[in-house]
Amino acid sequence: GQQLNQSPQSMFIQEGEDVSMNCTSSSIFNTWLWYKQDPGEGPVLLIALYKAGELTSNGRLTAQFGITRKDSFLNISASIPSDVGIYFCAGLNTGGFKTIFGAGTRLFVKA
Amino acid sequence: GAVVSQHPSWVICKSGTSVKIECRSLDFQATTMFWYRQFPKQSLMLMATSNEGSKATYEQGVEKDKFLINHASLTLSTLTVTSAHPEDSSFYICSASFRGLDYGYTFGSGTRLTVV
Repeated sequence: GQQLNQSPQSMFIQEGEDVSMNCTSSSIFNTWLWYKQDPGEGPVLLIALYKAGELTSNGRLTAQFGITRKDSFLNISASIPSDVGIYFCAGLNTGGFKTIFGAGTRLFVKA
Repeated sequence: GAVVSQHPSWVICKSGTSVKIECRSLDFQATTMFWYRQFPKQSLMLMATSNEGSKATYEQGVEKDKFLINHASLTLSTLTVTSAHPEDSSFYICSASFRGLDYGYTFGSGTRLTVV
């Protein structure tokens, strides 16, 4: 079945540093989504990408939909302690409705 | 924005009993709802897809007689874990979609199930 490879698995950074994480797949997706999950909570949508090559920002977050439609990255600039959490990429083919999730990137920010 | 309410947020039950988890879309009609299971430090695993008024579609390996899903209205889907056992202890999360809004699914806050 379809799988997403998300990296890195975890990151330990200093407050103020920039962060980059990415997802790759052997399959093509029509939509890429990035979520953040805090402990004991459901994932919250950060950014949705609908077109190959699309670059979208949400505050300090920037995500891009790869040209090949098989990858996406998420950047966080000037990290702050509340950025701590698990970030999931997700790929979606609208025809099938199913969302495929990456394994997640655990972000730790040291003040 | 679209809000999905999931209840209860946590539940402890005895082995052999059944537990019902509710997922409600508060300000939109959810034509499709999804149920996920998440083990500690792991990603979300899709269990089943439920469409209003029809039978749920279960993913391979998910026992439909054990995880009963009912999507009786456009705003409510329920997951019942029947005859729960300790290995069913997990974090269960629902999500809902409404085509026409953005395709990013809105998630509930999750239910932590502990079977003792």
